[in-house]
Amino acid sequence: QKEVEQDPGPLSVPEGAIVSLNCTYSNSAFQYFMWYRQYSRKGPELLMYTYSSGNKEDGRFTAQVDKSSKYISLFIRDSQPSDSATYLCAMSSASGGSYIPTFGRGTSLIVHP
Amino acid sequence: DGGITQSPKYLFRKEGQNVTLSCEQNLNHDAMYWYRQDPGQGLRLIYYSQIVNDFQKGDIAEGYSVSREKKESFPLTVTSAQKNPTAFYLCASSGSGYGYTFGSGTRLTVV
Repeated sequence: QKEVEQDPGPLSVPEGAIVSLNCTYSNSAFQYFMWYRQYSRKGPELLMYTYSSGNKEDGRFTAQVDKSSKYISLFIRDSQPSDSATYLCAMSSASGGSYIPTFGRGTSLIVHP
Repeated sequence: DGGITQSPKYLFRKEGQNVTLSCEQNLNHDAMYWYRQDPGQGLRLIYYSQIVNDFQKGDIAEGYSVSREKKESFPLTVTSAQKNPTAFYLCASSGSGYGYTFGSGTRLTVV
């Protein structure tokens, strides 16, 4: 079993839909949770960063962490064609002072007009 | 503007040749990283450096080498020992927080 599991998709939705992207993990030491967005042939960019459990909202994006279930989610409201990209989850612990994250494989999202 | 610059954007390598990928950052970040990205496999860590003149192997270091002589620079050499080097290579850096800043990547192809 991989440490971080993420469905690669693709996930295809109509414009304006609410999108739910998810990752599960097995390492209970993870405390820091991130979502990155990667457009084709570009480097990933940090979208959301969350420490421990709970919700965090930024505009149309909401990140949720459920440590009891080892499950994290990213919700995108009012999705736009410009949201079409690959979304990678990442998580890390403070083990040995290193916060090197473990990445999911990424979910490809397609928002069609 | 602060950021990470990777060059070149595209690189072609002949069999048996060593090539070096450049990564420069002006974010004053202490830590820098190299990842390899293959379709369907996500990001795999090659090498990382948390301080100048020190670096550690990641999960797939075989066939690669790095140096960290300056805080701003972390070049990656893909040696002839790397038998399957065709991939998208990403450099990243991080400061006191826990999120990475990535460069725009170098696509390496064996010809």
